[in-house]
Amino acid sequence: ETGVTQTPRHLVMGMTNKKSLKCEQHLGHNAMYWYKQSAKKPLELMFVYSLEERVENNSVPSRFSPECPNSSHLFLHLHTLQPEDSALYLCASSQDFPGTSYEQYFGPGTRLTVT
Amino acid sequence: DQQVKQNSPSLSVQEGRISILNCDYTNSMFDYFLWYKKYPAEGPTFLISISSIKDKNEDGRFTVFLNKSAKHLSLHIVPSQPGDSAVYFCAASANNYQLIWGAGTKLIIKP
Repeated sequence: ETGVTQTPRHLVMGMTNKKSLKCEQHLGHNAMYWYKQSAKKPLELMFVYSLEERVENNSVPSRFSPECPNSSHLFLHLHTLQPEDSALYLCASSQDFPGTSYEQYFGPGTRLTVT
Repeated sequence: DQQVKQNSPSLSVQEGRISILNCDYTNSMFDYFLWYKKYPAEGPTFLISISSIKDKNEDGRFTVFLNKSAKHLSLHIVPSQPGDSAVYFCAASANNYQLIWGAGTKLIIKP
């Protein structure tokens, strides 16, 4: 595997379910990100991890819980979500954060539908 | 309030002609700007960037222009090819910090 991978690619869950999104980067980067993309809206940064420590949490509801066990893996644990949480969830990585390289490498995303 | 705006949700251009995608920003502290391209079912991929100390950066068919006084940047693609059909996102950063994104412009290249 190369680049940034995400699983699952599609997820349908009820409001009472608990599920997790997984992201893995094979680039040797030190920073990883979770973004939310809703239709026709800008990408919204949710969380940033740098060297496995959370450095940014952009007022995200507690029903989203990130986990970064090591610099290659990032999880987003979901519980008691709302229908408005339906969106494309993108994982990205970069060499550093903050850093001299702004370039972020994205995974293909997980299309989440909350019913 | 959105700090980075892409006011055209979509743009249709004839193959071989020039595509011009526009982006406006409000934060004068932004010092680095990037364009990303996104195909359906894929994540965004980096295309080209420009620092605020420059007003132009060129990479093959892609050129980004920055007008700091107008807080405006544009991406020119010439000549446009069918494979350029995608959603293009503008993003900006201040002092090496997190990227602020626009909502994207869907570019359609007509044969």
